[in-house]
Amino acid sequence: AQTVTQSQPEMSVQEAETVTLSCTYDTSESNYYLFWYKQPPSRQMILVIRQEAYKQQNATENRFSVNFQKAAKSFSLKISDSQLGDTAMYFCAFRNGGSEKLVFGKGTKLTVNP
Amino acid sequence: DVKVTQSSRYLVKRTGEKVFLECVQDMDHENMFWYRQDPGLGLRLIYFSYDVKMKEKGDIPEGYSVSREKKERFSLILESASTNQTSMYLCASRDPLYNQPQHFGDGTRLSIL
Repeated sequence: AQTVTQSQPEMSVQEAETVTLSCTYDTSESNYYLFWYKQPPSRQMILVIRQEAYKQQNATENRFSVNFQKAAKSFSLKISDSQLGDTAMYFCAFRNGGSEKLVFGKGTKLTVNP
Repeated sequence: DVKVTQSSRYLVKRTGEKVFLECVQDMDHENMFWYRQDPGLGLRLIYFSYDVKMKEKGDIPEGYSVSREKKERFSLILESASTNQTSMYLCASRDPLYNQPQHFGDGTRLSIL
């Protein structure tokens, strides 16, 4: 069974600084997808960024980028120029190519301090 | 934008009651999902549906059932609510044809007393 591990239950960062959230996963599949979702306090969960396993290039969305290390099964999220609105729970998630099931990590609570 | 609407943000029910959580999506998505979110446990899949009247068990289906009579609506049913079902429930939908991600509703915080 696939598992997703987020080893940092909580993190904090100063506004305008850079922070990296860790995620590792375990799978024997070769075709899969990885996601980072953001859930602000009392608000809707939204997709931040996603990565297809077959793509070697790391995904980037504005201030958000990933470091995808396929051999190490690592998928970290880097947030540059952190903003107060980045304060949220961040979930790493995994999906096999042939499956509809998303497997989530337990989440990292990120606080951006002014 | 995809809109996934859950009928209630907060709900309080009593032990033994039959509870219905409703979810509607407006993008004609084939697939819909129900998750439970608990602190320290992340999100766990309860059930999902890949077509009308089709359903599949997720990782924690015990104590729950689902209904999908129309494509846009996916209901989660607690047949006889228990206190250990107090949780946040999230609905999601996805269009599998274009490899789109799942889109989530706002969630229903359910308390069973």
